Amino acid sequence: SQELEQSPQSLIVQEGKNLTINCTSSKTLYGLYWYKQKYGEGLIFLMMLQKGGEEKSHEKITAKLDEKKQQSSLHITASQPSHAGIYLCGAGKGGSEKLVFGKGTKLTVNP
Amino acid sequence: KAGVTQTPRYLIKTRGQQVTLSCSPISGHRSVSWYQQTPGQGLQFLFEYFSETQRNKGNFPGRFSGRQFSNSRSEMNVSTLELGDSALYLCASSPFDRDHYGYTFGSGTRLTVV
Repeated sequence: SQELEQSPQSLIVQEGKNLTINCTSSKTLYGLYWYKQKYGEGLIFLMMLQKGGEEKSHEKITAKLDEKKQQSSLHITASQPSHAGIYLCGAGKGGSEKLVFGKGTKLTVNP
Repeated sequence: KAGVTQTPRYLIKTRGQQVTLSCSPISGHRSVSWYQQTPGQGLQFLFEYFSETQRNKGNFPGRFSGRQFSNSRSEMNVSTLELGDSALYLCASSPFDRDHYGYTFGSGTRLTVV
């Protein structure tokens, strides 16, 4: 079954700094989802990437999919305290294949 | 439009007891999936229902069961609770059958087994 590894596991940055979170898959990526979770809460959908080389942006968050490397990256520009939380990547091509998740990256942004 | 509603939000149970958690999907969504989240294992898939039929099942013991009603509301049940069942249980609804696009998660039920 597919496994997703996220790095780093945790990240502490100063407000205003840029940062990148990576998600590497053990198998070919057909659909890659990024979610954000506040502690103890549900997951909030950020972006979905489907095609190799695809890049999407929302406000200061950009996600890219490198299909050949079976990897996706999430980049936050000029981080703010509101960006703090746990970022999770999920992947699955649907059908009988379940959606699996990485273990998450905990982001702390210090003012 | 109302989101995915999970009840209760918090629950404390004793080992050996059983528990039932509820998930009301977004109106019009017919697919409901359940996940268990723990610090050690992360998010693990429990099961997925569409139109009252179980579509997919994760690798959990038979103590974990679920069902979906004709109004798409879903319940999951855990019998003979163990300490290791303490977790955040999340459900997600989608308008699509076995298509992860459109997943919307609820805020979860935090279960503590003592």
